[in-house]
Amino acid sequence: KNEVEQSPQNLTAQEGEFITINCSYSVGISALHWLQQHPGGGIVSLFMLSSGKKKHGRLIATINIQEKHSSLHITASHPRDSAVYICAALNYGGSQGNLIFGKGTKLSVKP
Amino acid sequence: KAGVTQTPRYLIKTRGQQVTLSCSPISGHRSVSWYQQTPGQGLQFLFEYFSETQRNKGNFPGRFSGRQFSNSRSEMNVSTLELGDSALYLCASSANNEQFFGPGTRLTVL
Repeated sequence: KNEVEQSPQNLTAQEGEFITINCSYSVGISALHWLQQHPGGGIVSLFMLSSGKKKHGRLIATINIQEKHSSLHITASHPRDSAVYICAALNYGGSQGNLIFGKGTKLSVKP
Repeated sequence: KAGVTQTPRYLIKTRGQQVTLSCSPISGHRSVSWYQQTPGQGLQFLFEYFSETQRNKGNFPGRFSGRQFSNSRSEMNVSTLELGDSALYLCASSANNEQFFGPGTRLTVL
């Protein structure tokens, strides 16, 4: 079993839909990252969370430390949101680059 | 501020050769981490450097090595290349636990 599990693996949505991507982890963490990777490979860090909720534009990330679960929500989805979304756990006590990655969720938003 | 840069962007090598990849972090960032991304294994942590010292290493064979210079630029080296080393190699510089990724070097081993 992977230490960081994401669901779903693939997601197709219509423009305007509300989208949720889930991430569960089995290790103790000090932070959890949500990353976005577009075709071609470039990765952008969307959020880093250690508790609660963060919002940036149409993106919302939440984390429940007790349940070892995080979600990424996209409101009013748009075709430009099509990308692979990856969650990555920073092990408790680990150095900041030592991340454990989920396998990613490939999102396709149709116009 | 300029972002993280990686050179070269694309590289083709043959089995048995060695390769050196370079990463220049964001100015002022002292931490550089390297990751390997393959279709089968996804993203995996290779190693992290901070102030010229390796701070952590992932579960990769000794053929994978790296170093960091006094200006925080980092290089990683893979010796005796194998077909399975074909991957996208990403580096990231970080500050305050926030990661900034470079565009990656796509290595193909023939």
